[in-house]
Amino acid sequence: DTEVTQTPKHLVMGMTNKKSLKCEQHMGHRAMYWYKQKAKKPPELMFVYSYEKLSINESVPSRFSPECPNSSLLNLHLHALQPEDSALYLCASSRPGLANEQFFGPGTRLTVL
Amino acid sequence: RKEVEQDPGPFNVPEGATVAFNCTYSNSASQSFFWYRQDCRKEPKLLMSVYSSGNEDGRFTAQLNRASQYISLLIRDSKLSDSATYLCVVNMGQTGANNLFFGTGTRLTVIP
Repeated sequence: DTEVTQTPKHLVMGMTNKKSLKCEQHMGHRAMYWYKQKAKKPPELMFVYSYEKLSINESVPSRFSPECPNSSLLNLHLHALQPEDSALYLCASSRPGLANEQFFGPGTRLTVL
Repeated sequence: RKEVEQDPGPFNVPEGATVAFNCTYSNSASQSFFWYRQDCRKEPKLLMSVYSSGNEDGRFTAQLNRASQYISLLIRDSKLSDSATYLCVVNMGQTGANNLFFGTGTRLTVIP
């Protein structure tokens, strides 16, 4: 299984809603990542988990809250988002180590009204 | 200065043409390098890793010049299916997890 899955594929939410994005991989990767991608821009790193511990938080606002319940799962909890948070949210995983490529999920396309 | 710089294009080439993309990176301590391909509204997919000795995969050849901090991708005999955005990616992370920096991407359209 060389796949990273993400749910939901699309999400529309209001600014007062609470929702969660989910990511799962069964490749035995111990590093997992959240990225945000706006149209016609490259992905921007948000969070990195290494061995289920948060190792990088790229100054992301607290309305985004990551969680790594186990080595296969990664969640991103959303609360009180702004319309400018509308974007494609990509999850990725890799084996830890500098030479190892990241594998991306198909993303969740989020619209905040 | 951006960590990874690419010519955004767009590159519009006829089928069968050879096209080259270039990329520079700022951190001389960077250890690993990749080219990813991203189709419209899809996720990035790994095209190839880039090694110091250069590497080839079919019609695709990647080169790395550490002295100049420069990476290239050459596509020979372009196909219509090669139309996509090509992302130059540099790993500037620490041990335990990697921290990828993406170039802005180069948009390629192969024309019949």
